[in-house]
Amino acid sequence: GNSVTQMEGPVTLSEEAFLTINCTYTATGYPSLFWYVQYPGEGLQLLLKATKADDKGSNKGFEATYRKETTSFHLEKGSVQVSDSAVYFCALSSGSTLGRLYFGRGTQLTVWP
Amino acid sequence: EAGVAQSPRYKIIEKRQSVAFWCNPISGHATLYWYQQILGQGPKLLIQFQNNGVVDDSQLPKDRFSAERLKGVDSTLKIQPAKLEDSAVYLCASSLTGGNTIYFGEGSWLTVV
Repeated sequence: GNSVTQMEGPVTLSEEAFLTINCTYTATGYPSLFWYVQYPGEGLQLLLKATKADDKGSNKGFEATYRKETTSFHLEKGSVQVSDSAVYFCALSSGSTLGRLYFGRGTQLTVWP
Repeated sequence: EAGVAQSPRYKIIEKRQSVAFWCNPISGHATLYWYQQILGQGPKLLIQFQNNGVVDDSQLPKDRFSAERLKGVDSTLKIQPAKLEDSAVYLCASSLTGGNTIYFGEGSWLTVV
C-alpha cells in the first residue's frame, strides 16, 4: 500500500540554523512526492514537489530530492527564519490513485530568534 | 486566481447535532476532494469527486457523513449526527483532471462538544 513516515517533532531551531526533516515512503507504482506547509490557522500550501526519481524540488530556500533507492524525500533548508515556523507535511500521490494524496503525520517546526 | 473557498471557517456544535460545510473549488478544476485532519495527524481523504461523480469514498463513514457535488462545481459535506471524534479540520481541495498538484482551502474547523 501507500504510506509516508515523517520524523517525529517538534523540531526547535535557532534562526539561521540548518534544517532537515526526514521523510520516507512506501508506494505502489511510481509516486510523485510533495512537501506541504501549514502556517498557524491556515490551510495547507504546496511548498515543493518532485515527480520522478532524482528530481529536486525547491522553493523559498527549501529543497528535497526524490531518492528512489532509499525511498526518501527529506526536506532541507540551509538557514531557517522565524517565519518558517509551521507544520510541514510530506505526502505522496501514486499514479494509480488519480492524484489522491497520502500524508505523513506532520512535523512541527519552531524557529527562535 | 481565486483559491479554494470554504465556509464556515469555524463551527461548534453539540454531539448528535448536524453540520454542513461548503466548498467552491478553483475555477476549471474538475477534481474535488474532502479531507479530514484530526489534531496532530496528517489529513486523510474522505471523498474524491470527478465532476459530479464519486471516484473514491472508501474512507467516508457513510452512516453519518454524506457529500454531494450536484452540478460538478461546488460541494457540500454533511455530518449527521455528529460525534465527539468528528472534531477536526475539514479541508476541501481541488485539482485539474489528471493533474498531480492539489490545492487546498483554508479549512473548516469543527468542534463537537
